[in-house]
Amino acid sequence: ELKVEQNPLFLSMQEGKNYTIYCNYSTTSDRLYWYRQDPGKSLESLFVLLSNGAVKQEGRLMASLDTKARLSTLHITAAVHDLSATYFCAFSIIQGAQKLVFGQGTRLTINP
Amino acid sequence: DTGVSQDPRHKITKRGQNVTFRCDPISEHNRLYWYRQTLGQGPEFLTYFQNEAQLEKSRLLSDRFSAERPKGSFSTLEIQRTEQGDSAMYLCASSPRVRQTYNEQFFGPGTRLTVL
Repeated sequence: ELKVEQNPLFLSMQEGKNYTIYCNYSTTSDRLYWYRQDPGKSLESLFVLLSNGAVKQEGRLMASLDTKARLSTLHITAAVHDLSATYFCAFSIIQGAQKLVFGQGTRLTINP
Repeated sequence: DTGVSQDPRHKITKRGQNVTFRCDPISEHNRLYWYRQTLGQGPEFLTYFQNEAQLEKSRLLSDRFSAERPKGSFSTLEIQRTEQGDSAMYLCASSPRVRQTYNEQFFGPGTRLTVL
């Protein structure tokens, strides 16, 4: 079964703190995607991770991929209120449609 | 705006009615996907087109659902005899053929369907 588990599902944190969201996936894949979704809005692509050990950073967000452990992480550094959103990870199977299989999402709330 | 567009943005209908949604992908993208997202969940794959050919359908896509992409441009998703369980956000995404983009999918704003 193709499955993605995110942890935690809900995260409330204070501005200035650091935290990590974890994403475990069920099958071999070398393509891992992170998306952001604001309430009532569509999904915005954040990162595409393509190989074991890949690390990408954009502002206060950093994503990494460990294909052997089937684990990706999204690390938030010195959180600010504007980062409040729901974050989804997804993987794709290389063959066929290359559809995305999404996790449940992590709802992140950053309090002043 | 050169992103993925969807129409309508919201649709309220009564149970048993038919509804049709439209998606216009980014113009140079030959791959088009439909996903469904219910409250508090991640999007779930429904179907995939490469150009005008529908190449994969999810088991979620019952006989009441049909999708088309004539001429490989815009796509439509029709739901016949809607049921309350069809209430969801329907998302369209597109991606280009170019290998270097690694199938990064760009999502439209979605159509929120409410079945009363």
